[in-house]
This record gives sequence, structure tokens and C-alpha cells, in this order.
Amino acid sequence: GDSVTQMEGPVTLSEEAFLTINCTYTATGYPSLFWYVQYPGEGLQLLLKATKADDKGSNKGFEATYRKETTSFHLEKGSVQVSDSAVYFCALMPKGGNEKLTFGTGTRLTIIP
Amino acid sequence: DTEVTQTPKHLVMGMTNKKSLKCEQHMGHRAMYWYKQKAKKPPELMFVYSYEKLSINESVPSRFSPECPNSSLLNLHLHALQPEDSALYLCASSQGERQETQYFGPGTRLLVL
Repeated sequence: GDSVTQMEGPVTLSEEAFLTINCTYTATGYPSLFWYVQYPGEGLQLLLKATKADDKGSNKGFEATYRKETTSFHLEKGSVQVSDSAVYFCALMPKGGNEKLTFGTGTRLTIIP
Repeated sequence: DTEVTQTPKHLVMGMTNKKSLKCEQHMGHRAMYWYKQKAKKPPELMFVYSYEKLSINESVPSRFSPECPNSSLLNLHLHALQPEDSALYLCASSQGERQETQYFGPGTRLLVL
């Protein structure tokens, strides 16, 4: 079945550091891929998405590129801020599928000043 | 506007109580979802309503009863819950087409005593 694998957390970085959170997936066909962010005590917010190979999603300085050849959708940001501290979930939705989002386990990110 | 609202924000109930969670969206979305999220875990799908009809029930115990009175509203009726049902309950909506993005509400944090 479909699955999403995220890098294990927690991840702690200093402010202005470069961020990469790895995400790889297993799915048939070409799923849509998403990054959601969950700030402490809140629900999930869509951060960015990509629906086909080589698409790049971007938002708030975050980027991720849909790589079919490596089945990856790594999240990157060039300079993180304290306000980026949150849990980040990678997720996929299968093509022509059943509206089910498959989530990774989540990566907790803490940015220290 | 991509807002999904949920009430109440917090709920404490005893195992013999009956309570309801409410979710509302005014984006014209035709699919609505209930998820359960335990601490430090990704959300788990419970129910999906598509065009006001229940399309997915992920083998959820009958003490959880969903209801979709109209295309903008989604309720989750709770009865005779167990302490292990304590969690964050998230509502989401999407346009209803395949692979459409799901937008989440802030959640209701439920504690069962």
C-alpha cells in the first residue's frame, strides 16, 4: 500500500540555518504530495503541495520539488526563524484514489535564537 | 478564504456523557472529513462525507456517530466514550474532486474522564 517516510526528529537548528526535512514515498502512479505544518496547540495548515513530477511547491520561504525518479519530496528553507518551530507532516493523496491522505510520522522542528 | 471552523475548542466529558463536535466551512467544498490525532502522531482518518453522504468509515467504533446536515456542516456525536478516546479531533474539507487539497480546522481537544 501507499506509505510516506519522513526523517526522524526532533530536529533542532539555530536561527538562520538551512533546513532540510527528508520525505520519500511509495505509491502507484503519480500521487499528489503535500507538506502540512502544525504549530503547538493548533490544527494542520497546508504549507505547500505539488501534483505532478518536477512541480515545485513553495510558500513562506519553504520549497519542495516532486522528484519522481527518487520518489521524494524534501522540504527546504534557506534561513529558518524561531517562528518556524512546529511539527511538519509530509503526505500523499493517490491519483484517482479514494480521498485518503497518507501521512508521514511527522518531524518536530525547534529553532533556537 | 480557506477557513474551517470547529467548536468547541476544548471539551471534557465523562464516560456516560453525550456530546457533539461541530465543524463548519463556507468554501463550497463538497467533501468533509473527521480525523483523530493522538499526541506526537499523525492524524488518522475516521470518516469521509462526499456530497453529504458517508463515503468512508474507517471501522470507527459506534460510540462515534457522524452527521452531515448540509454541505457546510459536519457533526460528530459522542456517546459512552473511553479515556483512550482522548485526543485532538480535526475536521477537514476539500472541493470533493479527486486529489483535491484538504483544509483543516483548528481541532477540538477532547478529554474523557
